[in-house]
Amino acid sequence: EVQLVQSGAEVKKPGESLKISCTVSGYSFTTYWIGWVRQMPGKGLEWMGIIYPGDSDTRYSPSFEGQVTISADKSINTAYLQWSSLRASDTAMYYCARPRGTTDYFDSWGQGTLVTVSS
Amino acid sequence: DIQMTQSPSTLSASVGDRVTITCRASQNVNDWVAWYQQKPGKTPKLLIYDASNLESGVPSRFSGSGSGTEFTLTISSLQPDDFATYYCQQYNSYSHTFGQGTKVENK
Repeated sequence: EVQLVQSGAEVKKPGESLKISCTVSGYSFTTYWIGWVRQMPGKGLEWMGIIYPGDSDTRYSPSFEGQVTISADKSINTAYLQWSSLRASDTAMYYCARPRGTTDYFDSWGQGTLVTVSS
Repeated sequence: DIQMTQSPSTLSASVGDRVTITCRASQNVNDWVAWYQQKPGKTPKLLIYDASNLESGVPSRFSGSGSGTEFTLTISSLQPDDFATYYCQQYNSYSHTFGQGTKVENK
């Protein structure tokens, strides 16, 4: 069974750094892309970017390029989403998700990580 | 970035109604469109992929159609479990995008 398990909720202050994780099981981590999706409070889904853990090929939405870093550690089957300096506007639920094929639709989702940024 | 514009933003309907949601792409995305259902506090659920293919386990009252720039999600007879928000997604381009969502509420 494919499973994506995300790290727990975070409460941070503006300017702080953060790295959240998504640990997968039930399939070969290095042969599927894995993506990140943002959902701000009461708002819609936003595609942030996607990484191929096999060779770390990464694609970002123009809206998120330079704002976050997506990475992966093959040794522990884990993908990451990272901020160097958080803003209040980064407050959101973040989902990791795995496409069924290459970089297509997401058929498996993590449970979400709620990030709250507040002074 | 390819923009996906859904309409309507909110739809009021009753159990048994036929419901249609439209998604328009700002440029040709071929058949590379998926539809998801999301309920409050839950993760999105895949309903339709490649514009018209029903995901395994999804009731047959859901269907998708379209190609190019215009796509529709149809619920043939709305059931109580179907009140939720629906999103389209294009995956034709290097950077994928979701529509802004359509909330189906009880009339």
